[in-house]
Amino acid sequence: EADIYQTPRYLVIGTGKKITLECSQTMGHDKMYWYQQDPGMELHLIHYSYGVNSTEKGDLSSESTVSRIRTEHFPLTLESARPSHTSQYLCASSQVIVGEQFFGPGTRLTVL
Amino acid sequence: EDQVTQSPEALRLQEGESSSLNCSYTVSGLRGLFWYRQDPGKGPEFLFTLYSAGEEKEKERLKATLTKKESFLHITAPKPEDSATYLCAVQYYGGSQGNLIFGKGTKLSVKP
Repeated sequence: EADIYQTPRYLVIGTGKKITLECSQTMGHDKMYWYQQDPGMELHLIHYSYGVNSTEKGDLSSESTVSRIRTEHFPLTLESARPSHTSQYLCASSQVIVGEQFFGPGTRLTVL
Repeated sequence: EDQVTQSPEALRLQEGESSSLNCSYTVSGLRGLFWYRQDPGKGPEFLFTLYSAGEEKEKERLKATLTKKESFLHITAPKPEDSATYLCAVQYYGGSQGNLIFGKGTKLSVKP
C-alpha cells in the first residue's frame, strides 16, 4: 500500500541527547520534505530533497541535519537536543507538483 | 513581504449551515495555491490545487475558488465529519523551489 511512515510518533528525551526521526515512503516519490509545526501555527519548511544525494535547507533555520541515501528514506537528525526543539515534525513527499504533498502522521518531540 | 493569511481563525457551524473560509495572499507571482485538511494529531491531507484566477475545483461538499488576491473554500451543507483545520498554501515564482508558504489555518467545528 502506498503510504508515508514516521517513527517514532511520540518521543520524550532529555537535553543533550542525539535523536533521529525516521521517515519512509513507498510511493517512489523523488521529492521529500521536513516541516516543523507548533500548535496553532503554520508549517515551516526546514529541509527538502529532490532526489538521492540532494538536500537543501528550508526557510526556517534549524540545527537538524538530513540525509537522502535511498529514494524512500529521509531521516532527520538532531545531534544535541534542546528544549527549544520541542515541536511536531512532519515529513512529506511529492512527485511532480511541489504543492501536492503527502504527509506522514508526524513525530511529536518533547525535550526536557 | 510574501505571506498567506487565513480567516477566520475558527468557525463554528451547525450541521447543514453553509459557509466559506478565506485565504488571502501577497506574493510576487503565484505559481499555485493549495488547500489541505488537517485532523488533530495527523499530518495534512491534500485537497485541491488552483493555478489561475477564475479556476474552481470541487470535491463532495467542498468547492475551492481563486481570484488574483485570495481563495475561498466553500463548504455546502457541512457534516460533523467535516470538522478539521483547513490549511492554505502558496507556491510563488522566485521563491525557493521547495518552499510553500502555509497559512495558520481555519479550525472548523460542525455541530450536529
